[in-house]
Amino acid sequence: AQKITQTQPGMFVQEKEAVTLDCTYDTSDPSYGLFWYKQPSSGEMIFLIYQGSYDQQNATEGRYSLNFQKARKSANLVISASQLGDSAMYFCAMSYSGAGSYQLTFGKGTKLSVIP
Amino acid sequence: GAVVSQHPSWVICKSGTSVKIECRSLDFQATTMFWYRQFPKQSLMLMATSNEGSKATYEQGVEKDKFLINHASLTLSTLTVTSAHPEDSSFYICSASSPRVLSGNTIYFGEGSWLTVV
Repeated sequence: AQKITQTQPGMFVQEKEAVTLDCTYDTSDPSYGLFWYKQPSSGEMIFLIYQGSYDQQNATEGRYSLNFQKARKSANLVISASQLGDSAMYFCAMSYSGAGSYQLTFGKGTKLSVIP
Repeated sequence: GAVVSQHPSWVICKSGTSVKIECRSLDFQATTMFWYRQFPKQSLMLMATSNEGSKATYEQGVEKDKFLINHASLTLSTLTVTSAHPEDSSFYICSASSPRVLSGNTIYFGEGSWLTVV
């Protein structure tokens, strides 16, 4: 079975500082994908970054980077130069092949609050 | 980029009535759509997987007769909450995927639907 663990229910960060949101995963599948989504209060799920299990390099997307440590089964999200608009829920998710296609298993999320 | 549209965004219905939520892929063919449910301050829980032209696959604990899913075309899946009760009040969100190499760009989410049953 697949499992995502996010151990930080809430995090605070000063504006313009960097913050790391933790995510560990568990799976027996050799092929999987790791995602980070941002969910503001409106509810929409905003895709931030993706890391494939076979990718050699850590993924980066603008201010977002994914610190992928395969041996430790961790996929932490690093947000650099935090902005007030970054305040939201952040979910780590893992894809796996089920029912003929790719489903996502989500962690419980981390609520990030950016302080001015 | 690809867009998944979900409608309605907000719906209030009376207890005992049924409500339908639509999930459309606007510019790509989605062979598979997923329906998730999210209670306040909780994570997304997969309810069912909807494959075009076949019956949906429901997750354990999800009532098939209560949450009817229809995926009649490659661009539309619907979730009907039948005989809704206040405990069905939740945020429902769909996602769609296309049969390409798995990447962050091949799983798209709708905007979500807030259901309140009174």
